[in-house]
Amino acid sequence: DAMVIQNPRYQVTQFGKPVTLSCSQTLNHNVMYWYQQKSSQAPKLLFHYYDKDFNNEADTPDNFQSRRPNTSFCFLDIRSPGLGDAAMYLCATSRDRFGRGGYTFGSGTRLTVV
Amino acid sequence: QQPVQSPQAVILREGEDAVINCSSSKALYSVHWYRQKHGEAPVFLMILLKGGEQKGHEKISASFNEKKQQSSLYLTASQLSYSGTYFCGTEIRTGNQFYFGTGTSLTVIP
Repeated sequence: DAMVIQNPRYQVTQFGKPVTLSCSQTLNHNVMYWYQQKSSQAPKLLFHYYDKDFNNEADTPDNFQSRRPNTSFCFLDIRSPGLGDAAMYLCATSRDRFGRGGYTFGSGTRLTVV
Repeated sequence: QQPVQSPQAVILREGEDAVINCSSSKALYSVHWYRQKHGEAPVFLMILLKGGEQKGHEKISASFNEKKQQSSLYLTASQLSYSGTYFCGTEIRTGNQFYFGTGTSLTVIP
């Protein structure tokens, strides 16, 4: 089945220690997104790639970076995680840049910062 | 610009119906609906692209009132599997930005 896969499912990192979360997709969708979701809140968009074109949200902290080496893979790098970065990180894809076919989400990576 | 959902939370008995509303302060191009179970990723239910459009998905359907900038999700004869948090998502006409709504927690009990 075509899908969006995130690894790892759970990640524990130390305060200030860089961490990378990964996402891959077999849907061949043009657009890939990274969302941050904290408990009882809606997902918050961090950035997205339309093909290789990177789009950063204005309020995304500089501590968060992303890479998309090819169509299938996308990475989220957190350079110096703080306690406030503990959250569920969701990768999503869409066929078109406006998501008019809907967004397909991966199962998420729950990040804990100790 | 985040759309507001109502109610914030609802508890139903199996077989009862529910309506979840989503209201935006901006003119909308489309409305999405997603269901998220605890600890899992949101799952796409449907998208409405035209004012006046209604769509169905088994016993879950939705309507889009473009003039009022509102959408409603209708759950009929609810099942235990309907439990979760429902999010609307709106694409606003100006700039085509997308925002998830505030969420509605729905619990179905036997």
